[in-house]
Amino acid sequence: DGGITQSPKYLFRKEGQNVTLSCEQNLNHDAMYWYRQDPGQGLRLIYYSQIVNDFQKGDIAEGYSVSREKKESFPLTVTSAQKNPTAFYLCASSQIGRTSTYTQYFGPGTRLTVL
Amino acid sequence: GQNIDQPTEMTATEGAIVQINCTYQTSGFNGLFWYQQHAGEAPTFLSYNVLDGLEEKGRFSSFLSRSKGYSYLLLKELQMKDSASYLCAVPYGGATNKLIFGTGTLLAVQP
Repeated sequence: DGGITQSPKYLFRKEGQNVTLSCEQNLNHDAMYWYRQDPGQGLRLIYYSQIVNDFQKGDIAEGYSVSREKKESFPLTVTSAQKNPTAFYLCASSQIGRTSTYTQYFGPGTRLTVL
Repeated sequence: GQNIDQPTEMTATEGAIVQINCTYQTSGFNGLFWYQQHAGEAPTFLSYNVLDGLEEKGRFSSFLSRSKGYSYLLLKELQMKDSASYLCAVPYGGATNKLIFGTGTLLAVQP
């Protein structure tokens, strides 16, 4: 089955530690995205990538880093510089094109709690 | 800039009809998405409107008025499993396909 997987589903980390969230897709989508969701707020874009070896900051990139070494994979690292990292993290992917808008499809999410 | 407004919460009765509204402001309109999100789960795609009018998909319909910057999601024959957040989103950034999301409307369906 085609889809997007994220692991782990729940993650706990101590303050001051970096942690990497996994996102893999087998939909052959060019674009991938990372969002953060907090209670009472909409999804906010952290980073996005339209092609391998290239990525762009979203609206709240501070304290996060990403890589895109393979089309299928877009891991997100939450660094110790992120002041409030406890949140629900969602990865998405889509096709891209100059003249059309494409639907983004989401993975199941990772809930990160900083202790 | 971009801005989206949705009501925070709504309550409806099983079997009834409910309309969830969304107003938006965006430069360079390129369609509007509706997603459903159950608590603790990922958003799932419901509909995409780019032209004015009503599009029906089974129990769910979505309406768009570009001149008014307004959309609504209509849910008919409500079921308990329809209790969820409904997210309105519009693209921005041209070919980047980025989305800006509203805060979502939490719908509670009561027996």
